[in-house]
Order: sequence, then C-alpha cells, then structure tokens
Amino acid sequence: KNQVEQSPQSLIILEGKNCTLQCNYTVSPFSNLRWYKQDTGRGPVSLTIMTFSENTKSNGRYTATLDADTKQSSLHITASQLSDSASYICVVSAGTGGFKTIFGAGTRLFVKA
Amino acid sequence: DTAVSQTPKYLVTQMGNDKSIKCEQNLGHDTMYWYKQDSKKFLKIMFSYNNKELIINETVPNRFSPKSPDKAHLNLHINSLELGDSAVYFCASSQDPTSSTGELFFGEGSRLTVL
Repeated sequence: KNQVEQSPQSLIILEGKNCTLQCNYTVSPFSNLRWYKQDTGRGPVSLTIMTFSENTKSNGRYTATLDADTKQSSLHITASQLSDSASYICVVSAGTGGFKTIFGAGTRLFVKA
Repeated sequence: DTAVSQTPKYLVTQMGNDKSIKCEQNLGHDTMYWYKQDSKKFLKIMFSYNNKELIINETVPNRFSPKSPDKAHLNLHINSLELGDSAVYFCASSQDPTSSTGELFFGEGSRLTVL
C-alpha cells in the first residue's frame, strides 16, 4: 500500500534554531519526492523536488535529503524565522504522478520568538 | 497575479443544498485538479482533468462533479450537501502530470462548512 508518514506531527522551536523534519514512504514505483510548505489558511507551495538520482536539494534555508534505498527523506531548516511557522508536507509520486501522488499528513512547525 | 484562484474562500451552507466552487488558473497548464483536505490535514485527490480526460477518484461520491468550460477553469459542483462534506477544497494545476518533475500549483483553498 502506498503511504507517506511524517514525523514529528508537530514541533516547537525557538527563532534562530535549526530543525529537521522526517518523511518515510512506501510508494512504488518511486518517481519523485517533494516538500511543500502550507501556511495557515493558504494553499501548499512547493519548496523542493527530488528524483531518484538526487540525494540533496536546497532552497535557501531549506535543505531536503533523499535516501531512495531506505525510502526516507528529511527537510532541514536552518536559522529558523517566525515566518517558517507552517505545515510542511512530504509528497511522493509513483509512476506518472496525478492519482499516484501521495501526500503525508504534514508536520506542524511553530517558531517562537 | 494569482496563478490559481478559487472562489469563494469561505462557504457556509445548510445540509441538502447544492453549491459550487470556482477555480481558474492563468499558468497555461493543461491539467487541473480538485483536492479535499480533511480535519486531519490529509490532502486527497478527488479529480484530475485535462481537455482529453477526466479521472475520478472512485471514493468520491457522485454528488460531486467537476465542470470545465475551458482549459483555464475547473469548477466543482456539489449536490445534496452532507455534514461530512465540510472540509477545505483545493484546486491545483500542473503543466504535464506525466512528467516526473511536474509541480502542482495550488489555489488558496475554499473552506466549506455544512450545518
């Protein structure tokens, strides 16, 4: 069964600190993995996308890693800012995407001053 | 300019009513989608549509129907609303869903509350 599991469910950190969010998946055949950021009351916005051959991708203070062997990904946020408070959703696509795109439940990140 | 826009942002209605949510994208994408985000925050695909093919998630009740007047619009019609239909509905679009790197662009969401 295609599944995407994220941990932790929620996380509270102080402004300026780093954090790492985890994503484990059992989607097959693997096509790509994306991390989205969803601010409260807004639609998800893409942060990074990685295919099978890529094991790291950065977007500013966001760095995603992918281990296709263990089917794990992480999203590392450096020097967190208050505006990083949001849900971070791991999305894995199998085959040709579309209906084979599986969303994780997200990690809710709270950055406190 | 808003890439994917949906209206209304909020919709409160009585059980049994029929309602519609509109979606427009100005990205020139060929494929549009409707997703439902429930209280547990999972995003689940409801429909995928381009000018050639409508794909319906088999778990979606037939009270839900997409209508596409043209490539840039995909509206969602819901008949005989039920309490369980309360959720946030997201419209999205992508250029090529068969591409291994096809990115989804989401609208801001429409929060539907059925009383």
